Amino acid sequence: ETGVTQSPTHLIKTRGQQVTLRCSSQSGHNTVSWYQQALGQGPQFIFQYYREEENGRGNFPPRFSGLQFPNYSSELNVNALELDDSALYLCASSWSLTGEVGEKLFFGSGTQLSVL
Amino acid sequence: KQEVTQIPAALSVPEGENLVLNCSFTDSAIYNLQWFRQDPGKGLTSLLLIQSSQREQTSGRLNASLDKSSGRSTLYIAASQPGDSATYLCAVRNSGYSTLTFGKGTMLLVSP
Repeated sequence: ETGVTQSPTHLIKTRGQQVTLRCSSQSGHNTVSWYQQALGQGPQFIFQYYREEENGRGNFPPRFSGLQFPNYSSELNVNALELDDSALYLCASSWSLTGEVGEKLFFGSGTQLSVL
Repeated sequence: KQEVTQIPAALSVPEGENLVLNCSFTDSAIYNLQWFRQDPGKGLTSLLLIQSSQREQTSGRLNASLDKSSGRSTLYIAASQPGDSATYLCAVRNSGYSTLTFGKGTMLLVSP
């Protein structure tokens, strides 16, 4: 158990629709990051939030956006869904922004998104 | 740009064998390296984390080594069991402020 929960576990959408994925981190974990994992690939970094502000972004278009709330929950929003957005979306949390010595990231079980 | 490569992509062994999974990275200026386990359709479980100043970490039957200068890490699994069947991912962090760069993983199957 990592203490990080994601919902829903599975989701089916059609191209052009919008989707919101949710993540609940461990209490006290101020940093949350989101990753996209396509089938057979390693996770790719989407963006990171620290204390409710975006603090780093990977090579993803602006239609991928996020929010982090004071209660250690967060959201990933994707607008204008494309077929290539089909993937497992993972959130990860940690206490610090800077990854203090020995600190690990704790991952949720992910949301499997299928875009038809 | 950091790139992480894992070899082999897939591995099938009989129960009881000792095995080695390999990870290489292009930028040796890393902050730490982490090995994860992923079961099909599931999230990632952290196995071992090695800081850049360390040479190895051990947890039970797992031992991970790091050779920063050559850009390599290995994960050694002793006396493999069917329950070890999963995909193993290597990820590096280039600085305290950066996020993780993952390899594509090694899919391990341990047969009874």
